[in-house]
Amino acid sequence: DAGVTQSPTHLIKTRGQQVTLRCSPKSGHDTVSWYQQALGQGPQFIFQYYEEEERQRGNFPDRFSGHQFPNYSSELNVNALLLGDSALYLCASSLPDRDGEQYFGPGTRLTVT
Amino acid sequence: AQSVTQPDIHITVSEGASLELRCNYSYGATPYLFWYVQSPGQGLQLLLKYFSGDTLVQGIKGFEAEFKRSQSSFNLRKPSVHWSDAAEYFCAVRAGANNLFFGTGTRLTVIP
Repeated sequence: DAGVTQSPTHLIKTRGQQVTLRCSPKSGHDTVSWYQQALGQGPQFIFQYYEEEERQRGNFPDRFSGHQFPNYSSELNVNALLLGDSALYLCASSLPDRDGEQYFGPGTRLTVT
Repeated sequence: AQSVTQPDIHITVSEGASLELRCNYSYGATPYLFWYVQSPGQGLQLLLKYFSGDTLVQGIKGFEAEFKRSQSSFNLRKPSVHWSDAAEYFCAVRAGANNLFFGTGTRLTVIP
């Protein structure tokens, strides 16, 4: 049973550029959430996708956008990158309204220079 | 608004000693609470969860946690720590429809 997978593992970008991160959910899961984890901090919720729609959003600017595909995989896009966007980006999958239990992928380490 | 406080940034214990990691939460309704562990460079692994019922919950790797509503706490415990337990531990509360609000984490160091 494949767990949550994310790509790429690491990424280095320059300020002002745009980046796309990808996530495939655990088999059988149809809900995908994205989190940003800055160094030394706990993960912070960015947004959640269910049935190809953004269902809930955290306190992140519109530069952060996403998409969910019919096969439930998801993308996180960040435009106009800032140095402060450097972080580990975690994808989590779950069943809808399943008590909040989420399964996390290994993350994508984004460095903005 | 919800909040999770993990007052200990870093804890060091000897292998074989007992462990308790503290977590205090603030949430208006009955909380759904979680403990996750993160090894260096890895994602988060669920250790245990509390939704309702018995306030002492058992998890994987020999961990347990006790929910105390009167103290707004959900402390994680392990009777005997192994070197492989060295990692970062996060307490989280379910917020909104289905997302998690995390504490800032406690880094555990295990010395031989």
